[in-house]
Amino acid sequence: EADIYQTPRYLVIGTGKKITLECSQTMGHDKMYWYQQDPGMELHLIHYSYGVNSTEKGDLSSESTVSRIRTEHFPLTLESARPSHTSQYLCASSGEKGFNNEQYFGPGTRLTVT
Amino acid sequence: KNQVEQSPQSLIILEGKNCTLQCNYTVSPFSNLRWYKQDTGRGPVSLTIMTFSENTKSNGRYTATLDADTKQSSLHITASQLSDSASYICVVSDRGSTLGRLYFGRGTQLTVWP
Repeated sequence: EADIYQTPRYLVIGTGKKITLECSQTMGHDKMYWYQQDPGMELHLIHYSYGVNSTEKGDLSSESTVSRIRTEHFPLTLESARPSHTSQYLCASSGEKGFNNEQYFGPGTRLTVT
Repeated sequence: KNQVEQSPQSLIILEGKNCTLQCNYTVSPFSNLRWYKQDTGRGPVSLTIMTFSENTKSNGRYTATLDADTKQSSLHITASQLSDSASYICVVSDRGSTLGRLYFGRGTQLTVWP
């Protein structure tokens, strides 16, 4: 099993709250990713990072922001949560160069905004 | 447009039976194709990965096939077990970027009954 961790696993909060979803990996991987997944739907890339101080937006527009100050840590922040942010958020990392990049996924955070 | 389509959307089988899941893709240029297993409330875990030159790959009771000419793949599960109940996701990677972008299918939800 991959050494990538996400906390919290489940979060229920009220509208307007600021939240940070944590993601850490101990594999020394340079690339890290955040995906959003709704039930029965495909994963959508919302943020990615090539390494420290590198962050890019993904295919799906998201009001969340990310930071990459340390290699192992890639937190995602929502400044003001809304019910439309209710979803599962999956973090992943990859350490391979080139095109056969195996992505290892964390267990996910199930976010519910009431 | 790069897409990955999976069928069936859901499948119920009895324990001990075999089943085959299908994946069609239009991703180009093609790099590799993976099958992931995602248990409820967990992150996806890789089962197999195949490049352009490979047409079959096995991992225990899981056997994946790839026809790069018709852009089709299948995942065959032999002698199913209750623990096989999960979503099986087909993921295709392209060679068009240094990120090695992944394209996800919506998954086939497999339920194995005793």
